[in-house]
Amino acid sequence: EAQVTQNPRYLITVTGKKLTVTCSQNMNHEYMSWYRQDPGLGLRQIYYSMNVEVTDKGDVPEGYKVSRKEKRNFPLILESPSPNQTSLYFCASSSSGGPASTQYFGPGTRLTVL
Amino acid sequence: AQSVTQLGSHVSVSEGALVLLRCNYSSSVPPYLFWYVQYPNQGLQLLLKYTTGATLVKGINGFEAEFKKSETSFHLTKPSAHMSDAAEYFCAVSDRVGVDSYGKLTFGQGTILTVHP
Repeated sequence: EAQVTQNPRYLITVTGKKLTVTCSQNMNHEYMSWYRQDPGLGLRQIYYSMNVEVTDKGDVPEGYKVSRKEKRNFPLILESPSPNQTSLYFCASSSSGGPASTQYFGPGTRLTVL
Repeated sequence: AQSVTQLGSHVSVSEGALVLLRCNYSSSVPPYLFWYVQYPNQGLQLLLKYTTGATLVKGINGFEAEFKKSETSFHLTKPSAHMSDAAEYFCAVSDRVGVDSYGKLTFGQGTILTVHP
């Protein structure tokens, strides 16, 4: 089944404790992206990647890191999480990343930083 | 920078009634337009999109949307609501021009649709 998977689905952590949220897609998509969803703000892009070893900042990159060493994986790293990073995170992928392309979303990771 | 406005953070309808979710965009060049739906505890999935051609676009689950350039709108409709339509709906746009916006979706704030029996 074609899908985007994220792990973990739920995570509660404390301020300053490094964490990684994994994202993997099995559709051989070139483009991958991370969003955060907050009430009343919709989804905002954190980082995106056009291909392996090619990443760039989105609208809200502060406090996050990403890497794209393999085409299928795009982990999101929070080196020193803070409470304002408590949010619902989504990974997405699309075949080409072109502006008309459909993005396929993972099920989300709900992160709470205490 | 383009923006997307969804009028009404919550919309409530009765089962069988018309569903109308409003979306307006702000862009000098008409963008690509999308509607995504998010069911509880799930990721977003595409309902429909407008890229070019016919301005009335039909999507999944009986939804459709009409691109109106003069009104800079892309409202989502469904003639008869079903209980299973209860979800959050997001309008999104993507620039037709500009390398730096390649692949980037700009989302509206979302509209939660409640369907009453």
